Amino acid sequence: GAGVSQSPRYKVAKRGQDVALRCDPISGHVSLFWYQQALGQGPEFLTYFQNEAQLDKSGLPSDRFFAERPEGSVSTLKIQRTQQEDSAVYLCASSTRGQGNTEAFFGQGTRLTVV
Amino acid sequence: AQSVSQHNHHVILSEAASLELGCNYSYGGTVNLFWYVQYPGQHLQLLLKYFSGDPLVKGIKGFEAEFIKSKFSFNLRKPSVQWSDTAEYFCAVSLIYNQGGKLIFGQGTELSVKP
Repeated sequence: GAGVSQSPRYKVAKRGQDVALRCDPISGHVSLFWYQQALGQGPEFLTYFQNEAQLDKSGLPSDRFFAERPEGSVSTLKIQRTQQEDSAVYLCASSTRGQGNTEAFFGQGTRLTVV
Repeated sequence: AQSVSQHNHHVILSEAASLELGCNYSYGGTVNLFWYVQYPGQHLQLLLKYFSGDPLVKGIKGFEAEFIKSKFSFNLRKPSVQWSDTAEYFCAVSLIYNQGGKLIFGQGTELSVKP
C-alpha cells in the first residue's frame, strides 16, 4: 500500500475486555515496530519484528500485551484484560531493513480508550 | 538507559520569527538522530535525519539541524516560521549497532505559530 495502515482508528474498551489492533505495513518492508504514546508524551517502543520473527519485545509493559506477525506482513497487537493505564495511542511503523540508519514510516495510530 | 530530552514542551511564535528547538540525548556510543513532525490529525513524518558526515543537515520545508557531538545535542532550527509549521515536533535517537533501529523519542515540543 501507499503507507502504513492501522485499524481501527479509535477503540473504546471496557476495563477487562480484550482488544486487537491491526497494522498493515508498507509492502515489502522487512521491519515492523509497535510504539505506545501516552497523552502529552513521545512514543515509547513496545516491540520489533524482522519479517515474522519477534526480535525484541523488551518494551511490552506486561504479559497482557502480545504481538504477532505470522506471515511477515500484517501484524496484530493484542491487549488482554485491558486496564485504564492502557489508554494511549498505539503506533505502528515499518522500514525497509532492520538497521538504525533507516527511515521508519508511521501509521496514524489507534487511539485506545479504556473506560 | 538511553534517553532523549526536549527542553521546551510548548513554544508559541509569531510568523516570520526564528525557531530553535533543543534536543539532548544520553548515550556515549554512535547514534543516528532524527526529527519527526506530527501535523494536527496526521501521522508522524520524518523531517530530517543525521547518520554521518556533515553535522549540519537540511530537511524538508526549510528546517535544518546541527549535530554537536561534544554536547550530545541535535537542535532543530528554522530561520522564519510559517503558520503551517504549527505541529508537534519529536526528536529521536536510534543506536547504530543494535535493536533493529528502534527509536527512542523525546517527549515532544508543541509549536504554535500565530498568523
